[in-house]
Amino acid sequence: KQEVTQIPAALSVPEGENLVLNCSFTDSAIYNLQWFRQDPGKGLTSLLLIQSSQREQTSGRLNASLDKSSGRSTLYIAASQPGDSATYLCASGGFKTIFGAGTRLFVKA
Amino acid sequence: GAVVSQHPSWVICKSGTSVKIECRSLDFQATTMFWYRQFPKQSLMLMATSNEGSKATYEQGVEKDKFLINHASLTLSTLTVTSAHPEDSSFYICSARGSGVRELFFGEGSRLTVL
Repeated sequence: KQEVTQIPAALSVPEGENLVLNCSFTDSAIYNLQWFRQDPGKGLTSLLLIQSSQREQTSGRLNASLDKSSGRSTLYIAASQPGDSATYLCASGGFKTIFGAGTRLFVKA
Repeated sequence: GAVVSQHPSWVICKSGTSVKIECRSLDFQATTMFWYRQFPKQSLMLMATSNEGSKATYEQGVEKDKFLINHASLTLSTLTVTSAHPEDSSFYICSARGSGVRELFFGEGSRLTVL
C-alpha cells in the first residue's frame, strides 16, 4: 500500500528566501508525481507533474525533482513571496493517486 | 490542461437529508473518476474509484450505502451523501482520468455543511 509523507508539516520563512519541500513515497511503481497548491477553503491547483521517466520539471520559480529509486521528490521554490503562502501537496500517481498530508507554508513580508 | 467541473461548489443541508454532488469532465471522456474527502487541515483521502458503466470500488472504511457513486456516462460521475449527518461535513473533490492517460485532472471541490 502506497504511503506518501511530506516534510516539514509547516514552514515559515521570510520573503525572498529559497526553500525546499520534501515528499517521500514507499512504492516506486508510480505513473507520475504531482505537486499541488491549495489555498484555505479552496480546491487544488496543479503546479508541476513529473512523469515516471522524468527527473525534474520547472515552471517559473518552481522546480520539482523526482528520484524513483529512493522514493523521493522535492519542490524547490526560489525567491519566495507572500503570495506563495499556501498548503503544498504532493501526490503519487498510480492506479490510485495517493496524497501526502501537505506542507503549510507561510512567507512573511 | 483538461477541465473537470464540480457542482455545487458549496451546499448546506439539514441532518437526515441526501445531497448529490456532480463531477463532469468538460473536454475529455473520463473512463475513471475518483472521489476524495478532505477534513479541515487534513489531506485528501481517497473514498472510491469509479469506472464508467461499472460499480464503484470503495476504500476500506467508506460506507458504500452512505456514499452512493454513479458513473453512468463518460463525462459524469455523481456522489450522493445519503442521510447526511454533521460528521459528513467536509470538502469533497473529484478527479478524472481518460483512457490511456495517466494524468489526473481535479474538480474545484464541493464543500458540504450538514446542520
